Amino acid sequence: NAGVTQTPKFQVLKTGQSMTLQCAQDMNHNSMYWYRQDPGMGLRLIYYSASEGTTDKGEVPNGYNVSRLNKREFSLRLESAAPSQTSVYFCASSARGSYNEQFFGPGTRLTVL
Amino acid sequence: KNEVEQSPQNLTAQEGEFITINCSYSVGISALHWLQQHPGGGIVSLFMLSSGKKKHGRLIATINIQEKHSSLHITASHPRDSAVYICAVSPNYGGATNKLIFGTGTLLAVQP
Repeated sequence: NAGVTQTPKFQVLKTGQSMTLQCAQDMNHNSMYWYRQDPGMGLRLIYYSASEGTTDKGEVPNGYNVSRLNKREFSLRLESAAPSQTSVYFCASSARGSYNEQFFGPGTRLTVL
Repeated sequence: KNEVEQSPQNLTAQEGEFITINCSYSVGISALHWLQQHPGGGIVSLFMLSSGKKKHGRLIATINIQEKHSSLHITASHPRDSAVYICAVSPNYGGATNKLIFGTGTLLAVQP
């Protein structure tokens, strides 16, 4: 089992460019999450999907969109990247809800110039 | 004020020392999580607990629900324990039940 996988690992964008971060899990988990991690601020929830077919905003959703393509895959899209979106992005999954153990992907380090 | 506070923010210890990292929270919770993140690395779940105490090897986590406080202890610390330790809580109110609230982490450096 690969657990939670994310692509790409690193990305540099120019302001205004768009990109999609991919995430997939092979643990048959219902819930999936996208976080960003910035120095001194801890992890912050961008969007989550409690189950296939549903998505909800987290703490910092502005500038992002998500798609829960199927039970395995949850993608995060930046339509028009801004320097404030420079961060490390983590995808995570859990069996059901945040009261279950969360499994994290390796992260994507994104720089927006 | 953050809903999850950790202390200390930074901690330096000598190899072999007993280490304690504290986490206090201000919301009702269904579970508390301790996570570990090595420099430049991914995030690994160490513990999830809702009462009492759990132990994995040299790591011990305790929680006091009444006092809204948890501690992570590392016995016989080793340089490979150097990492950021993150406390997170699963709220038990309203629409927040699917979300974790994270502390900002404790950076631990264990020197040989």
